[in-house]
Amino acid sequence: DVVMTQTPVSLSVSLGGQVSISCRSSQSLVHNNGNTYLSWYLQKPGQSPQLLIYKVSNRFSGISDRFSGSGSGTDFTLKISRVEPDDLGVYYCGQGTQYPRTFGGGTKLELK
Amino acid sequence: EVQLVESGGGLVQPGRSMKLSCAASGFTFSNYGMAWVRQAPTKGLEWVATISYDGSSTYYRDSVKGRFTISRDNAKSTLYLQMNSLRSEDTATYYCTREGAHYPGFAYWGQGTLVTVSS
Repeated sequence: DVVMTQTPVSLSVSLGGQVSISCRSSQSLVHNNGNTYLSWYLQKPGQSPQLLIYKVSNRFSGISDRFSGSGSGTDFTLKISRVEPDDLGVYYCGQGTQYPRTFGGGTKLELK
Repeated sequence: EVQLVESGGGLVQPGRSMKLSCAASGFTFSNYGMAWVRQAPTKGLEWVATISYDGSSTYYRDSVKGRFTISRDNAKSTLYLQMNSLRSEDTATYYCTREGAHYPGFAYWGQGTLVTVSS
C-alpha cells in the first residue's frame, strides 16, 4: 500500500498569512499513463471533506486561486496564501494512482 | 448541482448486517465511478470501496474484503454498500463520493451517514 505522510500535523496561521503543507508518498504516484493522481481535500469543522486540488496542481471547480498545489513523484506541497477564516479545518492529501486509495493523516490549520 | 444523499446508517450489533444507500442527482450517474470513504470518530479518512461507472469492476480495502459489497443501480442513480459481519472497528461516518471527470479522486461528497457497531 502507498503510505501518505503529511507534515506538519498542525499549523497556526494569522489571517492574511501564507502556509505550506507537505505530503510525501512511499512510492511514486506517477501512473502508467503518465498522470500523477495526487489530490488535496479540506474538511471544515462539522462538514464533509471537499476537493481542492486534483492531479497535483489543478484547482477544482470554484476553488480560489489562493490555493496552489505543486510537486512530483513522491513529494507534494499545498500552499495557501492570504489565509481567510473559511480556510480553517483539516487538510488531507490523497492518492488515486493505485489501489487501495490512501490518504495522509491530515494537517489541522488553526488561527494563531 | 451534484447531490449525494446517504441513508441507512444507525446502531447495529457486532456480527450483524447493514445496507447503506446513496441517492445521486445533478449529473449522469452512469458515467462516473463511485466510492465509499469512511471516517472513524475523531480519525482521518479511509477509503473503503470503489465501483466503476458500469459496475463491471469493484475494488475493496483488505479489511472489508469478503464482508462488504459495493453495487450500483444506474437506472435508479443509486449506490449501495452491503456490510456483513460488522465489527466494532467498522464504526464510522460513511461518505458516498463521486470520482472526477477523467481522473480518480473524490470530487463530490455526501453529508455522510453514521454507522455504530456496538452491543
